[in-house]
Amino acid sequence: GENVEQHPSTLSVQEGDSAVIKCTYSDSASNYFPWYKQELGKRPQLIIDIRSNVGEKKDQRIAVTLNKTAKHFSLHITETQPEDSAVYFCAADKKSGTYKYIFGTGTRLKVLA
Amino acid sequence: DAGITQSPRHKVTETGTPVTLRCHQTENHRYMYWYRQDPGHGLRLIHYSYGVKDTDKGEVSDGYSVSRSKTEDFLLTLESATSSQTSVYFCAIQAEYSNQPQHFGDGTRLSIL
Repeated sequence: GENVEQHPSTLSVQEGDSAVIKCTYSDSASNYFPWYKQELGKRPQLIIDIRSNVGEKKDQRIAVTLNKTAKHFSLHITETQPEDSAVYFCAADKKSGTYKYIFGTGTRLKVLA
Repeated sequence: DAGITQSPRHKVTETGTPVTLRCHQTENHRYMYWYRQDPGHGLRLIHYSYGVKDTDKGEVSDGYSVSRSKTEDFLLTLESATSSQTSVYFCAIQAEYSNQPQHFGDGTRLSIL
């Protein structure tokens, strides 16, 4: 069945360094790819998303890239800060029009001060 | 934040008892979802609704039922709770357009002893 693989499962970086999280998806019909950040004990919150007609999107220190041919997309966080420490989830919509997502298993990011 | 309220926020119950979790939204969104979150598994879809009285199964629906009698309320019921259903349950909503993000409630932490 369709799935989304996310790597790495844990990531530690020094404050100020960059962090990259990668996801691959299997459903070639997927068109929408959101990223969520979840702090401990809190709800997942959308931080950025990208649609299939766009290759890259930036929002301040956060960027997402999409390679539809290779079926992978990545989250890039630059100039990391301690408050970036959280679990990050990628997702892909299952098939166009069904409004369902498949989530990756998450990446625990630790930013070391 | 999207207007989503989950209740209760925490519940401890015994194996074999029925449990109902409630999700209430004030956004008038058509789509509502129930997920469970477990370590190592990310967010897995239990059931979802695409309108009043219109529901469908997700990937982990066994042992769960749902009902949606009003646009604003989506109920998740465990008819006879088992210890394997101990988890954090999140409700999410989505507007009726393609390529739109899902927004999550604060979650319900359910422990079944």
